[in-house]
Amino acid sequence: KAGVTQTPRYLIKTRGQQVTLSCSPISGHRSVSWYQQTPGQGLQFLFEYFSETQRNKGNFPGRFSGRQFSNSRSEMNVSTLELGDSALYLCASSLAGTFTDTQYFGPGTRLTVL
Amino acid sequence: KNQVEQSPQSLIILEGKNCTLQCNYTVSPFSNLRWYKQDTGRGPVSLTIMTFSENTKSNGRYTATLDADTKQSSLHITASQLSDSASYICVVSPNSGGYQKVTFGIGTKLQVIP
Repeated sequence: KAGVTQTPRYLIKTRGQQVTLSCSPISGHRSVSWYQQTPGQGLQFLFEYFSETQRNKGNFPGRFSGRQFSNSRSEMNVSTLELGDSALYLCASSLAGTFTDTQYFGPGTRLTVL
Repeated sequence: KNQVEQSPQSLIILEGKNCTLQCNYTVSPFSNLRWYKQDTGRGPVSLTIMTFSENTKSNGRYTATLDADTKQSSLHITASQLSDSASYICVVSPNSGGYQKVTFGIGTKLQVIP
């Protein structure tokens, strides 16, 4: 069974640009969550999608948005990039998105904002 | 505010030795606690999950313990191997709310040297 895949793996952008990251969950998983990971903050929850609907949202500005398609693939968009957005962005999928479900993480997209 | 604190921040041990990582949390009420292993450049992988009623869970050379009264958990690694070099993240879920309520520790970076 293929794992969670994320594309691209690395990305370099400049301030003010926007970026779209993609995540393909494990087949059959309907919940996809996005996290931002930085050295000082650890993993910070961005949002979770389940069956094409945003079900939970973290404390991030509106510049961070996402969506989920009917095949459960998900995209995350960051507009008007800031230097502080440089981070590893991880997505995780699970069957139903409950606390007892195991989340399977992708390898992440390393975003660098110059 | 729910918090998860891990110690030490980093640790260097000799191959073959044992080590113990600590996690203190304030999340209450509490549903489950997970330990993740994150290799450099990869997403976290779940090692163990314990509910509030469990006090120990093993996964090969990894043994997690939980004391719900003192809100402490530890991850014990036996006979360490070079491949154990990674960050270990403690994650605590409350018993209600969505993924935005899940709290991640910053992690302990373990380096196993020959």
